[in-house]
This record gives sequence, C-alpha cells and structure tokens, in this order.
Amino acid sequence: GAGVSQSPRYKVAKRGQDVALRCDPISGHVSLFWYQQALGQGPEFLTYFQNEAQLDKSGLPSDRFFAERPEGSVSTLKIQRTQQEDSAVYLCASSLFRGYEQYFGPGTRLTVT
Amino acid sequence: AQSVTQLGSHVSVSEGALVLLRCNYSSSVPPYLFWYVQYPNQGLQLLLKYTSAATLVKGINGFEAEFKKSETSFHLTKPSAHMSDAAEYFCAVSESGANSKLTFGKGITLSVRP
Repeated sequence: GAGVSQSPRYKVAKRGQDVALRCDPISGHVSLFWYQQALGQGPEFLTYFQNEAQLDKSGLPSDRFFAERPEGSVSTLKIQRTQQEDSAVYLCASSLFRGYEQYFGPGTRLTVT
Repeated sequence: AQSVTQLGSHVSVSEGALVLLRCNYSSSVPPYLFWYVQYPNQGLQLLLKYTSAATLVKGINGFEAEFKKSETSFHLTKPSAHMSDAAEYFCAVSESGANSKLTFGKGITLSVRP
C-alpha cells in the first residue's frame, strides 16, 4: 500500500512568512511523529500525536511552531513568522501504535531566505 | 535522558570489503536501538532494531548489529559492501515503554569504491 506522503516536497519562504507542511500517514496508523533535520545533522523530535491528541510537544523549538491532527489522520505542521534557522528538512513518521516501527515520509525541505 | 554518538561523519570502503559503522548510546533505562538508512531525497528506512531480545540482530540487505550493554554500543556491520550500500546511516535510541520518540545520532555517510 501507499507509504507516508508529505507535501510540498520543497518550500521556499521569505523570512517572516507563515508556512504549512502536510503529512499523510499510512492509513490506520494511530501514532504520528514530526522531526526536524538540519543540514548535516540527524533528525530531532518535534512532536507526537496519538490519533488526534497531541501527547508530546516537548521538541517544538518555539511558540512559532504549531502542529495539529484534527481528525486523527492528516497532520499539518505550521511555522509562523519563519526565520532562517527554521531552514531544514521536516520529516513525518507514522506507526501502527506506540512502540511499533515508524515509517518515514520523504520530508519537506524548507528554505527560508 | 538519552543520546547517541556516531563518531566520524564519513566512511569509505572498497566494494566487497567489511562495513563497520559505530554507534554508542546513553540511556537511563533499557533502550530500544535502531539503525536507519537514508538515500538521497528519500525518507528514512529501518535496517534493523534491538528491543531486548537477541543481542545479535539481523536486518535487511545483509546488515547486522550487536548490542553490547557493557560497552553501551550497537555497531552496524556488513561482511561485504555493495555499491548500492552507499547512503547515509543513522543510529537511534528510544526508551522502551515511552512514547517511542527516537533520538538520532548525527549520521555517517558511507561511500563504496569500485
């Protein structure tokens, strides 16, 4: 079946603009994770959803970052007033349940100019 | 708190040679350990995982890793490198029983020379 998909694949934003990144998890997967991968670094955890509930947002770097999953399926990561340090690849992963294997999407590469 | 250390950023081997990618972890509770591979412009793919069963774990594409608690290590090996193994490799840890968020190392780029 289809894997995790993310859109857009590439996004260029001017500093100060708002952006919205979309994640379509594998159908039926309860758990959904967002990670941020800066250039030359490993992915870093941002936030975790179980169905529509956001159970952990400890990795969100500032209050400019907001994530939602209103119907327990598609998730959106929103970044307000983008800054240059927000430039990174944003990865979404889903798993059947907590503790099961995470399947990663291809990521959205965000460049803030 | 948990962390992963992957020493060095780049490893180069000849085709057919042994691949050894090192990973050391720190965790206050029994860890789950993972190796992921990332090809250019693709998402992360799970190679193998350790979840407190057998300490020698076999994964896809001929890779394996051994969990050594005394050394806090989980090194990845493959007896004979293939050109298609060229990619970036990440070691990751999660705390068993937690929400399973992953903590990754910085990654190692593997090059394979013909």
